[in-house]
Amino acid sequence: DAGITQSPRHKVTETGTPVTLRCHQTENHRYMYWYRQDPGHGLRLIHYSYGVKDTDKGEVSDGYSVSRSKTEDFLLTLESATSSQTSVYFCAIRTSGPSYEQYFGPGTRLTVT
Amino acid sequence: QKEVEQDPGPLSVPEGAIVSLNCTYSNSAFQYFMWYRQYSRKGPELLMYTYSSGNKEDGRFTAQVDKSSKYISLFIRDSQPSDSATYLCALGGNNDMRFGAGTRLTVKP
Repeated sequence: DAGITQSPRHKVTETGTPVTLRCHQTENHRYMYWYRQDPGHGLRLIHYSYGVKDTDKGEVSDGYSVSRSKTEDFLLTLESATSSQTSVYFCAIRTSGPSYEQYFGPGTRLTVT
Repeated sequence: QKEVEQDPGPLSVPEGAIVSLNCTYSNSAFQYFMWYRQYSRKGPELLMYTYSSGNKEDGRFTAQVDKSSKYISLFIRDSQPSDSATYLCALGGNNDMRFGAGTRLTVKP
């Protein structure tokens, strides 16, 4: 258990509304990631952070923004939710050192109607 | 062509069988190779990690990497019903990480 929690765990929202998902970690890891998982596509990186206020885009960043004002929290915002953003969202942390081992949270299931 | 190709299955085997799961990749910059196990409605769980060609064994699990062929495998010996899950390969390098789409495995008692 890498001490990662995500909230909410489930959310249903309407098209056009803003949505914020929260990832919280308890072990002070520098790197944090947001992925979405869809059938047939596997996990795709949305945004990642390499420190407080340091973030960068991933493979599928359009329509998403992130913020990291504290080491332990990484927020993902859907600025104006669309049905194509219906997905399962996972947060992950990367342990320190040169390796790429990532550990995942339990996920947030988001439905945009 | 996707950077990482993984047969989605589904794969169904009897208990006790040897399972072979595979991924191919196209980018030779990948240096780190991982396998994740994901139970239904749960987050992926890191199962195996390696950064070199060859085999790495951990209990009933063996990860195999062939960099020259850009091919990685996960073998599960004496498979159990509790191994029923989706298995994802993951490749990392140059501050990038890519995942396969996952293979769904069912082990029948």
